[in-house]
Amino acid sequence: KAGVTQTPRYLIKTRGQQVTLSCSPISGHRSVSWYQQTPGQGLQFLFEYFSETQRNKGNFPGRFSGRQFSNSRSEMNVSTLELGDSALYLCASSNNVGLAGNTGELFFGEGSRLTVL
Amino acid sequence: AQKVTQAQTEISVVEKEDVTLDCVYETRDTTYYLFWYKQPPSGELVFLIRRNSFDEQNEISGRYSWNFQKSTSSFNFTITASQVVDSAVYFCALSSGGGADGLTFGKGTHLIIQP
Repeated sequence: KAGVTQTPRYLIKTRGQQVTLSCSPISGHRSVSWYQQTPGQGLQFLFEYFSETQRNKGNFPGRFSGRQFSNSRSEMNVSTLELGDSALYLCASSNNVGLAGNTGELFFGEGSRLTVL
Repeated sequence: AQKVTQAQTEISVVEKEDVTLDCVYETRDTTYYLFWYKQPPSGELVFLIRRNSFDEQNEISGRYSWNFQKSTSSFNFTITASQVVDSAVYFCALSSGGGADGLTFGKGTHLIIQP
């Protein structure tokens, strides 16, 4: 069974640009979550998508957005990039979802490492 | 608000030693879930264990064991007879509120196993 696939693995952007990251979940998994990992803030929850709907959102500005397609693949977008957006962005999928959110095991991809210059 | 504290930033031991990684959590919810994940250099987080708040039984899986104590709000992780392959960053995480806030992670403990 293929794992969670994230593309691209590495990318470099400049301030003010925008970026789109892609995530293909494990086949059959309908929930996709995104996390940002930085040395200073650690791992922080961005948002969760379930059945093409953003069900939950972390404490990030509106520059961070995402979507989920009918095949459960997900993309996240960051507009007007800032230096502080440099991070490892991790996507996770799950097939264990509750009514309000995901309380089960998450399967993570290897992440997309974004560097903003 | 929920919080996870991993006070040990880095631990270095010699192979075959036992090592315990500490995790203390805070939540006002009575129903919650605790997790441990391992992050090797490749970057992906690998699931190790999930525990719900109503199950305080300790668990053992091979060389790994977990001690969950609600009285001290702790969920500690012990590796017995450590091996070089255990070297990684280990994260403790908490999910409460039905999962609506995602996982709250601790800052992680970097475990170095020296040969």
